[in-house]
Amino acid sequence: SQTIHQWPATLVQPVGSPLSLECTVEGTSNPNLYWYRQAAGRGLQLLFYSVGIGQISSEVPQNLSASRPQDRQFILSSKKLLLSDSGFYLCAWSPRSGLNEQFFGPGTRLTVL
Amino acid sequence: AQSVAQPEDQVNVAEGNPLTVKCTYSVSGNPYLFWYVQYPNRGLQFLLKYITGDNLVKGSYGFEAEFNKSQTSFHLKKPSALVSDSALYFCAVRDPGGGNKLTFGTGTQLKVEL
Repeated sequence: SQTIHQWPATLVQPVGSPLSLECTVEGTSNPNLYWYRQAAGRGLQLLFYSVGIGQISSEVPQNLSASRPQDRQFILSSKKLLLSDSGFYLCAWSPRSGLNEQFFGPGTRLTVL
Repeated sequence: AQSVAQPEDQVNVAEGNPLTVKCTYSVSGNPYLFWYVQYPNRGLQFLLKYITGDNLVKGSYGFEAEFNKSQTSFHLKKPSALVSDSALYFCAVRDPGGGNKLTFGTGTQLKVEL
C-alpha cells in the first residue's frame, strides 16, 4: 500500500531564516505531487504541483519554492521566511493517470516568529 | 475557472440525527467531485468521489453524497451522526486542466453533540 510522509511535524523558525520541508511517498511510482498551505485551519491553497522529476508548476507568486529531486520526493523551501509564511503545510500525491483523488500527508505546522 | 462553495461555516447536529453538509460547484465540462474530512492538526482523509454513474455515492464511515446536476450540488450526508464525526469537511472539484489538480471549498465545521 502507499504511504506519504512529511517532516518535520512541527517547526518554529525566526523571520529571515531558511526553510526546508520534505515529503516522500512510498509504494507508488510516477505520482503527481502537490504542496498546499492551510491558514487558520480553513481553506487550502495550492502552492505547487509536479508531474515529474524536475517539473514544478507554481500556482501563486510567493516567498517559497519547490523542488522534486527524485520521483517520490518533494521539497518545499524558502531562503528567508516571512511572518506570513506561518501555517499548516500539506503534501499530497495522486496517481499520474485517471480521475483519481489526492492522498494527503500528516502535515507540518510552521510558526514563524 | 472552476469553483466550489460551501455555504455553511458550521453545522451543528445531535448525535443520532441525520446530517447534511452542503456543497455547490461550478466547472466547465464533466464535474468530478470529492469530499474530504480533516481532524485537528491532521491531513485530509478522502471520503468519497463522484466520477460518473449513480447519483448517490457511498463512501467511508457511513457517509454518502448525492450528485445533482441540475442544481450543481454535491451534498454530503449521513443517516445517523456520531460525536466522532465532528471534524472539518471539504468539498473539492477537479480542475479541467492538467495535473489532476483539485479546487477546494472553504470547509464546513461539523459539530455533533450528545
